[in-house]
Amino acid sequence: GQNIDQPTEMTATEGAIVQINCTYQTSGFNGLFWYQQHAGEAPTFLSYNVLDGLEEKGRFSSFLSRSKGYSYLLLKELQMKDSASYLCAVMDSNYQLIWGAGTKLIIKP
Amino acid sequence: GAVVSQHPSWVICKSGTSVKIECRSLDFQATTMFWYRQFPKQSLMLMATSNEGSKATYEQGVEKDKFLINHASLTLSTLTVTSAHPEDSSFYICSAKGPRDVELFFGEGSRLTVL
Repeated sequence: GQNIDQPTEMTATEGAIVQINCTYQTSGFNGLFWYQQHAGEAPTFLSYNVLDGLEEKGRFSSFLSRSKGYSYLLLKELQMKDSASYLCAVMDSNYQLIWGAGTKLIIKP
Repeated sequence: GAVVSQHPSWVICKSGTSVKIECRSLDFQATTMFWYRQFPKQSLMLMATSNEGSKATYEQGVEKDKFLINHASLTLSTLTVTSAHPEDSSFYICSAKGPRDVELFFGEGSRLTVL
C-alpha cells in the first residue's frame, strides 16, 4: 500500500529552527509537495521537489532523497505566524497526490 | 500565482436539503479539479477528480449519487451534496492543477454544517 509518515505534532521556539520529516512509500514517484495549512483554512503551497537535494525559498527549505523515500521541510527564524499544520504529499505514478496526515507545529514565545 | 475561488465559505443547512459548492479558477483554465473533504484534526481526503467535459472519478467509498460533481467549463466545477445529513458536516476544499500542471492551487474551502 501507499503510505506517508510524518510526526503528528512538534513544538519549537520563536526565532529557532525546526525540521519536519516525511517518509513515504508510494507506487511510483512524480514529486513531493509541502503545504501549509492554518486552522480552518485551505492549504497553501510551499514547495515541490522532484530531484534529490535541497530547495531553498526564503526562510523555508525542502530536501528530498528519492533513494531513501525521505524529505524534510526546514523552517528558519521561526515566527508565531508559522504555527500551522504542515502537510507532506507525494504524487504517485498515476499523478495522484497521496497525502500525509500533517504535522501540527506549535511555536512558543 | 494562480487563483482558485470557492463559494460559499460557510453554509448551514437543514438535514435533507441539498447544498451546492462552486470552485472557480480565476486566471487560468483548469481541465482537472479535485474535491477534498477534511474532518477536524485529520488530513485531506480526496473525494473525486473532476475532469472538464467528462464524468468525475470518485474515490472508493464516496457515493457518487450523493456527491454530484459537475465540471461543465474549464473554469468551474461544482460539488452538490444531496440530501445532506449531520455526518456530512465537514470542510470541503477544491483544488486545481495550475498552468504548469505541477502545482495544486486550493480554493478557500467551504465549511458545511448540517443541522
